[in-house]
Amino acid sequence: GAVVSQHPSRVICKSGTSVKIECRSLDFQATTMFWYRQFPKQSLMLMATSNEGSKATYEQGVEKDKFLINHASLTLSTLTVTSAHPEDSSFYICSARRAGGPTGELFFGEGSRLTVL
Amino acid sequence: KQEVTQIPAALSVPEGENLVLNCSFTDSAIYNLQWFRQDPGKGLTSLLLIQSSQREQTSGRLNASLDKSSGRSTLYIAASQPGDSATYLCAVRGQNFVFGPGTRLSVLP
Repeated sequence: GAVVSQHPSRVICKSGTSVKIECRSLDFQATTMFWYRQFPKQSLMLMATSNEGSKATYEQGVEKDKFLINHASLTLSTLTVTSAHPEDSSFYICSARRAGGPTGELFFGEGSRLTVL
Repeated sequence: KQEVTQIPAALSVPEGENLVLNCSFTDSAIYNLQWFRQDPGKGLTSLLLIQSSQREQTSGRLNASLDKSSGRSTLYIAASQPGDSATYLCAVRGQNFVFGPGTRLSVLP
């Protein structure tokens, strides 16, 4: 099966620092990756869509300068939370689309729990 | 704008019961619908994917149906087990990928 690996699974940082989260598709190429955020007891909310080799498309209300997304290869996308604050503490999940086109199934990483002190 | 709702929000059943989880969406122009389970503090596990042209998909004790015209999908779990306890999310893929709020299922031994 298709595997998406996310690292780190947990990270604790001080307010004002930056944190990078990696999302890798281990056994398939992913032209498109998605980043989500989930606050406690709430559903996942799409943050941005990342296409390999191009700029990410951000959802309304998501600050692109704060959440930097890089999708430099067909197997790796990174999310950097810059100048993190306690309100950025959340569960971040990535997903990758394996097959070409909009009907492709999505595979999800295990998620990264960010705690900003 | 696509909106996805799930009913019930929470469900507690004794082991062995058959149960149905419901998912509704407002915009029927979708490419597919996917059901996931999420264990506490974990990522998502894909359960079933139904393309817009399909009516249902089955995997083991799980059966998902899709009625695109009425904007509904159901996830049927047969002979529930304590290990099925999790939050079940449906998500529709149209212009964007939109998740429902989930149904928290507890199966009691």
